Amino acid sequence: EDKVVQSPLSLVVHEGDTVTLNCSYEVTNFRSLLWYKQEKKAPTFLFMLTSSGIEKKSGRLSSILDKKELFSILNITATQTGDSAVYLCAAQTSGSRLTFGEGTQLTVNP
Amino acid sequence: SAVISQKPSRDICQRGTSLTIQCQVDSQVTMMFWYRQQPGQSLTLIATANQGSEATYESGFVIDKFPISRPNLTFSTLTVSNMSPEDSSIYLCSVTSGETQYFGPGTRLLVL
Repeated sequence: EDKVVQSPLSLVVHEGDTVTLNCSYEVTNFRSLLWYKQEKKAPTFLFMLTSSGIEKKSGRLSSILDKKELFSILNITATQTGDSAVYLCAAQTSGSRLTFGEGTQLTVNP
Repeated sequence: SAVISQKPSRDICQRGTSLTIQCQVDSQVTMMFWYRQQPGQSLTLIATANQGSEATYESGFVIDKFPISRPNLTFSTLTVSNMSPEDSSIYLCSVTSGETQYFGPGTRLLVL
């Protein structure tokens, strides 16, 4: 059975802190690893990673994939209160099916 | 990326009734999916909506409970049948655009 595990499940930080969110996966027919940010209803796409060791970056957010260790991290530097959200990672397998982790609830306090 | 809309955005329904949720995309897409997110939980794939053929359901989901239509490459519906309070969830459709998957705004369903 495909499985995606995220840690920590919950994280509270102060504005300006740097956070690292973790995602490990065990899936069959892995194609890519996706990160989403969910604030209210719809998850918003952040990154898609297909190759090991290549960092993807967007502003203060960055992510990298390790296909040997079956692991990905999402880094957020200089956190802001607007970064407060649930961050979801998902493993994409054949047929474009996504298996999601439980999510990390990030709270950034002023 | 694709622009996805869903109707209704939310609804409150009585147990035993059915609700049909619509998903409209602004461009033709090959793959469309339906997910469920129960309160406090992550997203779970219900089924892949196949154009011109029956949907492909994930383990634990059946056509009688969640019938799906996909009449063309821009539209799909999900019906939640004979609802019970356990069906209270957010229902989201998603589409693939390139290699990435994007989500609609979701339908928040409360069953009393």
